[in-house]
Amino acid sequence: NAGVTQTPKFQVLKTGQSMTLQCAQDMNHNSMYWYRQDPGMGLRLIYYSASEGTTDKGEVPNGYNVSRLNKREFSLRLESAAPSQTSVYFCASSEQGSRYEQYFGPGTRLTVT
Amino acid sequence: GDSVTQMEGPVTLSEEAFLTINCTYTATGYPSLFWYVQYPGEGLQLLLKATKADDKGSNKGFEATYRKETTSFHLEKGSVQVSDSAVYFCALRTSGGSNYKLTFGKGTLLTVNP
Repeated sequence: NAGVTQTPKFQVLKTGQSMTLQCAQDMNHNSMYWYRQDPGMGLRLIYYSASEGTTDKGEVPNGYNVSRLNKREFSLRLESAAPSQTSVYFCASSEQGSRYEQYFGPGTRLTVT
Repeated sequence: GDSVTQMEGPVTLSEEAFLTINCTYTATGYPSLFWYVQYPGEGLQLLLKATKADDKGSNKGFEATYRKETTSFHLEKGSVQVSDSAVYFCALRTSGGSNYKLTFGKGTLLTVNP
């Protein structure tokens, strides 16, 4: 039982390049999330998927797109990377319902030069 | 909207000292409250949670009590260890439509010296 896995762990991009961050969970959770973590800002929600087949914007969606490929997988795409997207990205999953915690992946450290 | 305010760090303590990290919240409805811990280079792990008023969450010697009257969920530990050095996040989760999104505080860095 791996929990939430993310690939890659590290990535360096040049401005304007594109890439997709992959996330998968094996806990049969309905809901999945993408966050970014920046110093002094805590975690900010980029996009979420409440259930398979649905996606919605979070606090900071500009410059990103997502795909809920199936119940297990939720990918985050940067179409044209910018230095402001340098951050650590975390994927999370959970059961639906306010009393359930979210489970986090190990993160992807992205640098855009 | 929902928000979480936690004490700014960094907090530096000696081993075996008493720890308190303050957390207060603003939320509509009846949120569940969480403390997460992030060790260096790792993702966030749930430390403890409380889902209704007056509940006490506890784990690994850490405790926090859900106080609705003061809208607080302060984290405490009686005797910290070097291995407790990490960033601690207070968070709440409410039923915003079908999302039940998690709202985080900005995190408090704790360093424990031997």
